[in-house]
This record gives sequence, C-alpha cells and structure tokens, in this order.
Amino acid sequence: AQKVTQAQTEISVVEKEDVTLDCVYETRDTTYYLFWYKQPPSGELVFLIRRNSFDEQNEISGRYSWNFQKSTSSFNFTITASQVVDSAVYFCALSRIQAGTALIFGKGTTLSVSS
Amino acid sequence: DVKVTQSSRYLVKRTGEKVFLECVQDMDHENMFWYRQDPGLGLRLIYFSYDVKMKEKGDIPEGYSVSREKKERFSLILESASTNQTSMYLCASSLPGLGVNEQFFGPGTRLTVL
Repeated sequence: AQKVTQAQTEISVVEKEDVTLDCVYETRDTTYYLFWYKQPPSGELVFLIRRNSFDEQNEISGRYSWNFQKSTSSFNFTITASQVVDSAVYFCALSRIQAGTALIFGKGTTLSVSS
Repeated sequence: DVKVTQSSRYLVKRTGEKVFLECVQDMDHENMFWYRQDPGLGLRLIYFSYDVKMKEKGDIPEGYSVSREKKERFSLILESASTNQTSMYLCASSLPGLGVNEQFFGPGTRLTVL
C-alpha cells in the first residue's frame, strides 16, 4: 500500500524562526516521485518541488530546503528564517507509478508564522 | 502563464440537486484530475482522465461522475447532491507521464449542500 504521513497537523512559529515540516512515505515501488505543494489562504495549491527516488541530493531554493532520505523514507521540508507570507498549508505527495494515475497526498501541515 | 480555472469559487446547492463543476485548462495537458479536500483528510482523488472521453475512478468515486468531451475541459457531476458532499473541490491538470509530472491546480470550488 502507498501512504504519505505528515504527523504535524499544525505548527506555529514566530518570524525568523526556522521550521521543519516532516513527511514520511510508504511505497513498494522502486521508482517514485515525491512532491511538496503549498496552499496559501487563497486556496490554490502551488507546486514547490519534485524529487525522484534515485536522486537523494538535498535541494536548496532560497529559504527553502528539502532533505530526502530513502533509508528512513522521509522527505522533510525546512523553511529558514520564516516569514508571515510562509503561512499556509503544506502538502507532501507521492506519485503512483501506474498508468494515468494521480498523486497520493498527506493530510497537510498548517504553518502559522506570526510577526 | 499557465492556468487552470474552475467555474465557481463558491456554490450553494440543495440536497437532491444535480450539480456540475467545470474545470478548464489552457496548457494542452492530457491529464486532468478532480480531488476533494476536507479538514483533517487532505486531498482525496475522485476521478481522473488521461485523454478525451477517457476516465478512471480514483479513491472516492461514489456519488460522482465525470465528463471529458474536450481536451481542455473536465467536468465533475454530482448526480444527486447530498450533505456529505459539502467540501472543497480542486481540479488539476498535468502533462502525460507515469505520475512524474507536477500537477497544476485551480483555485477550488467550495460547495455547500443544504
């Protein structure tokens, strides 16, 4: 069975704090893709990153970084020096490697950044 | 700028009504998806389509049907709306590929069934 677990339902931080959002996945596929999406209060999901199962290099994009570890089946997301604009719901997702199928989403983590 | 649009941001319907939710994408994507989002449950896949006139059931298809007559348009139909279908509905599209391509999402339709 395939599954994505985001154990943190809600996180509250103060601006400039660093915060890590956890994502643990389960799959029997050897080839798969992991994604992170951001859903701001406006409601529209915004794609942040895609990582394939053969690429365990960490990625950094500005204040965002991602740590992919196959050994622990985790794909964690860190925001450095958080800002109020980072307040959103963040979803981790796993691809289903079957023809024409969609993503399996975690239940999301609501991040609140206060000034 | 790529875009997925949904016909309504907010919709209020009565139990038993037939409801149509429309989604249009301008990216010439083959794949289109309908999800519903509920608090504490994340996004759950209702139906998807990987070509015109093709459709596949997702995880929670009961009570829903879909139509894809044109490549750019994917409609979700609630044949007889019920209160447990009150939810946020999200449409998405992507290029073809075995689950590897990012999905582009519309702004969502918040449906309330009274």
